[in-house]
Amino acid sequence: GAVVSQHPSRVICKSGTSVKIECRSLDFQATTMFWYRQFPKQSLMLMATSNEGSKATYEQGVEKDKFLINHASLTLSTLTVTSAHPEDSSFYICSASNLRGPSYEQYFGPGTRLTVT
Amino acid sequence: AQSVTQLGSHVSVSEGALVLLRCNYSSSVPPYLFWYVQYPNQGLQLLLKYTSAATLVKGINGFEAEFKKSETSFHLTKPSAHMSDAAEYFCALYNNNDMRFGAGTRLTVKP
Repeated sequence: GAVVSQHPSRVICKSGTSVKIECRSLDFQATTMFWYRQFPKQSLMLMATSNEGSKATYEQGVEKDKFLINHASLTLSTLTVTSAHPEDSSFYICSASNLRGPSYEQYFGPGTRLTVT
Repeated sequence: AQSVTQLGSHVSVSEGALVLLRCNYSSSVPPYLFWYVQYPNQGLQLLLKYTSAATLVKGINGFEAEFKKSETSFHLTKPSAHMSDAAEYFCALYNNNDMRFGAGTRLTVKP
């Protein structure tokens, strides 16, 4: 149980276009979903925290107008990278905490590799 | 403020040797601590967690970690390394809906 999926796993887009990444909790309801960004050979950096039905909370330095997060249901959160640029190329990972479990228990998705050309 | 420090960005051991990955933390309240493993181009897999119960925590794949409050440490160990253990390992600290990760340690296992 406690599986989180991400789609797509890899995406290549042209500079200036927008890309949507989906994060789904497959067998549980997620009160909170987290979006992380990971540069090559570096750690995960929290971008934002999203709660179902409310606006996401962004970390300092993360542009909320560039990284749009929608958490419309208890099983789905989306991250849209708007007007992508090469510097947005990165590995994006989401995680989710179970509505019926402790808040510290986070389940991670497999990640999405974004390449902007 | 809470933080996690992993000593050594790269650790190399021989197959069958002891694995020791170091993690120190800073937290103003009793922490929840985690070790995750990441294989290339994949997400994070939980190895083990400390949630204020037993200080010696056993995880998957033969890994264990000991919470030492006096040393503010949560080092990860495995008695005998296997080739399949080669990966990136992250120590993490959770407090009040905030998960902080260490910089990661890349483990290489030599045959």
